[in-house]
Amino acid sequence: DAGVIQSPRHEVTEMGQEVTLRCKPISGHNSLFWYRQTMMRGLELLIYFNNNVPIDDSGMPEDRFSAKMPNASFSTLKIQPSEPRDSAVYFCASSLDLGPSGELFFGEGSRLTVL
Amino acid sequence: AQSVTQLDSQVPVFEEAPVELRCNYSSSVSVYLFWYVQYPNQGLQLLLKYLSGSTLVKGINGFEAEFNKSQTSFHLRKPSVHISDTAEYFCAVRRQGAQKLVFGQGTRLTINP
Repeated sequence: DAGVIQSPRHEVTEMGQEVTLRCKPISGHNSLFWYRQTMMRGLELLIYFNNNVPIDDSGMPEDRFSAKMPNASFSTLKIQPSEPRDSAVYFCASSLDLGPSGELFFGEGSRLTVL
Repeated sequence: AQSVTQLDSQVPVFEEAPVELRCNYSSSVSVYLFWYVQYPNQGLQLLLKYLSGSTLVKGINGFEAEFNKSQTSFHLRKPSVHISDTAEYFCAVRRQGAQKLVFGQGTRLTINP
């Protein structure tokens, strides 16, 4: 079975450019999470969706960041304009919203470098 | 709000030696506890979880963890490590009834031959 699929795996861009990261969750999962991982701050939850609806976006750093989930099989995280401090690995994860176990299944991440 | 503290950022051990990775949490309500592992250039994978019942939880790859409510700890152990255990390990906590999973800063486990 396919896991969580993220694209691109690597992105190098220049400051000021728009960046769009994409995620396809596991089929049947109805919760989707975006995390950012940096050496300084570790793993930070940016936003999560339940049944395509954003539930908590308190981790989104600022207005330059936006996330959408137009349907159950696709989500995007957009940064516009990008800045060097946005350089990080961005992970998407999905889970079944059933019971307390709630295991998160992570994608392999999108490594973003902003020059 | 809940939080997680992993007391060691790096733990070097020799191959076949035992290891303990420490995790403490704080929460005003009951929580579920998890350990995830991240191998180089990969996403996180679930190692084990504590939901209720027996405080000793066994996971994959020979790892186990013990929930200690009085000390608010959930330390991860393995009696004999292998080179392939080299990875970063994350402790995480979820408040009961919530979806949000809060991770600790991670502990990098390095196995020396």
